[in-house]
Amino acid sequence: SQTIHQWPATLVQPVGSPLSLECTVEGTSNPNLYWYRQAAGRGLQLLFYSVGIGQISSEVPQNLSASRPQDRQFILSSKKLLLSDSGFYLCAWDPGQDYEQYFGPGTRLTVT
Amino acid sequence: AQSVTQLGSHVSVSEGALVLLRCNYSSSVPPYLFWYVQYPNQGLQLLLKYTTGATLVKGINGFEAEFKKSETSFHLTKPSAHMSDAAEYFCAVTKGSGTYKYIFGTGTRLKVLA
Repeated sequence: SQTIHQWPATLVQPVGSPLSLECTVEGTSNPNLYWYRQAAGRGLQLLFYSVGIGQISSEVPQNLSASRPQDRQFILSSKKLLLSDSGFYLCAWDPGQDYEQYFGPGTRLTVT
Repeated sequence: AQSVTQLGSHVSVSEGALVLLRCNYSSSVPPYLFWYVQYPNQGLQLLLKYTTGATLVKGINGFEAEFKKSETSFHLTKPSAHMSDAAEYFCAVTKGSGTYKYIFGTGTRLKVLA
């Protein structure tokens, strides 16, 4: 069966510090991968998606970036965090069929 | 462009009462519609989905939703609320253009009163 992992689960970082969040998927190959941010009362905002290694599409201009160094690994990064980067970050994948996305457990990021 | 509107950011029901969470969408193409549930500090779990076929869709935990094209709605219902249903619920739409980019509503937090 397929599983999706995210780490860390929680993170507290000062403004201006770098960020690296990791997402990995097991039990499937060549998944579509997604990064979402969830802010209170604002639903889910799609940040990045990837259809293959090295292929990243950005949905919203921001100081975040994403990379996909391996087929089942998706990384969200920032060189300098802003207070507005605080939120709950969710990684998701789908197999490219059946129209269903599967979500990871999320990372709670607090920028102080 | 596609969009999703969830009416009511907070809904309270008594245990055993009907649950009705509202979702309206706009889409220029036949949509694929989803309801997800999120428990505190967890990821999202799919409750049910509509892609094609029968417009009344049954999901997990006793939930169901009906796709009404004429009303552009996909409301979520459950006949009898249970305390464990307390969570946040998200409606989402996609047109399935290969990468299945979802548009999510802003969510409805369901509170179940004893």
